Amino acid sequence: NAGVTQTPKFRVLKTGQSMTLLCAQDMNHEYMYWYRQDPGMGLRLIHYSVGEGTTAKGEVPDGYNVSRLKKQNFLLGLESAAPSQTSVYFCASSYSKGSLNYGYTFGSGTRLTVV
Amino acid sequence: ELKVEQNPLFLSMQEGKNYTIYCNYSTTSDRLYWYRQDPGKSLESLFVLLSNGAVKQEGRLMASLDTKARLSTLHITAAVHDLSATYFCAVGFNTNAGKSTFGDGTTLTVKP
Repeated sequence: NAGVTQTPKFRVLKTGQSMTLLCAQDMNHEYMYWYRQDPGMGLRLIHYSVGEGTTAKGEVPDGYNVSRLKKQNFLLGLESAAPSQTSVYFCASSYSKGSLNYGYTFGSGTRLTVV
Repeated sequence: ELKVEQNPLFLSMQEGKNYTIYCNYSTTSDRLYWYRQDPGKSLESLFVLLSNGAVKQEGRLMASLDTKARLSTLHITAAVHDLSATYFCAVGFNTNAGKSTFGDGTTLTVKP
C-alpha cells in the first residue's frame, strides 16, 4: 500500500516556466490538499478538494491552479513560476467517518526551486 | 481567523529529562492532531485527539486535549535522541472538509 505518492520529488524551474505536480492516493480518501512549507512560516494551505471534480481555494492560492478529475489524483499547476514559489510542497489526503476526521496522510513532498 | 500557537518553538533537552510542548488555539474545536517531521522528510501522524479529555500515549510521548482551555499538550518522558524532530499540532473542524490549521512547529533536539 503506497499511501500518498507525489511526483516529482525535486525540480528546478526558471522564472516564467510552468509545471504540474502530481499527487496520487490509493486509500480511497475523499479529501485531498496541497500545502507549501516555508522556513519560519509553517504549513500553509494552497488548495483543497472535497471530492472528484471539486476544488476550493485555501490560504495562499494565488499563482496556483488545481484539478481533481479522478478521485485518486490531485494535480497542482504553476502556470508561470516565480522565485516566491520556491518551497517544499506537500500533498495530503484524509477521510471522515460521520463527523470524525482522522487527520492527514502526507506524501513525501516536492522540493521546488525557481531561479 | 483561527490561530494555532505552539511553544516553545525550539527545545533543547538532555536525554532522560521530561518536558511538555504546548499547543494553544483561538477558536472552539474538538479535533486536534499531532505530527512528527524529521529533517528533510515528510510529516507522519502521531496522535489523533477527537474529544475533550482525550489522552493518547505511544512510547515516551503522551498527548492530551482540553477543549475548554483550547489547549493540547505533548508530554515527553525520559527523552532519547531518536525523539529529535519537529513536532506540529494541527486543529481541525467537523464541517471544514477535514481541513486543519497548523502551528509553526516545535523543533526538539535531544542531547546525550
